[in-house]
Amino acid sequence: SYELTQPPSVSVSPGQTANITCSGNNLGDKYVCWYQQKPGQSPVLVIYQDKKRPSGIPERFSGSNSGNTATLTISGTQAVDEADYYCQAWDSSTGGFGGGTRLTVL
Amino acid sequence: EQLVESGGGLVQPGGSLRLSCAASGFTFSIYDMHWVRQPTGKGLEWVSGIGAAGDPFYPGSLKGRFSIFRENAKNSLYLQMNSLRAGDTAVYYCAREIRNGGGAFDIWGQGTMVTVSS
Repeated sequence: SYELTQPPSVSVSPGQTANITCSGNNLGDKYVCWYQQKPGQSPVLVIYQDKKRPSGIPERFSGSNSGNTATLTISGTQAVDEADYYCQAWDSSTGGFGGGTRLTVL
Repeated sequence: EQLVESGGGLVQPGGSLRLSCAASGFTFSIYDMHWVRQPTGKGLEWVSGIGAAGDPFYPGSLKGRFSIFRENAKNSLYLQMNSLRAGDTAVYYCAREIRNGGGAFDIWGQGTMVTVSS
């Protein structure tokens, strides 16, 4: 599978901006998407095609992708955003997920 | 729009299991579909995908043991798993890929648990 690297954890204070990175070889040449997963629940798509938000996802979620790194940005982070976040991308016809980042809202 | 998995359970090492995913609320036949698994307390792993036309694709690590197929007339997706190992123990999700969405999955099922143990 396509290897993607994420930091295991990120902490942020309520109201501040959280940045979660995802690194992969030539990642900027591929589309990246991001999922949010809360304990005991299925993943939810929050960003696709690098920066598009599905219907129903708050505007505070945004994404970027350049070079070897994609970034999920959560502006004005709320307690409800505390969750695991996974990036995903495709290399040819092989899909890969990052290892996940636990976002803690302190 | 909903996906409901079934068929999980306890199986012995070396055994086989077939998972099913029932789709409803959308035109199943025009979407690429996928299976993703997650061991307890660990991350997501893409298991297999199948195009709307029925063309399957797999990661190299699982090719040969797992087989994905679909029955559009029944709005159903399947995963046939053979020669199961302890490392295959996980929650298995089926997921719908957004059309022209860069490979993102917008609808996920609730998952079905597969436990491989003697």
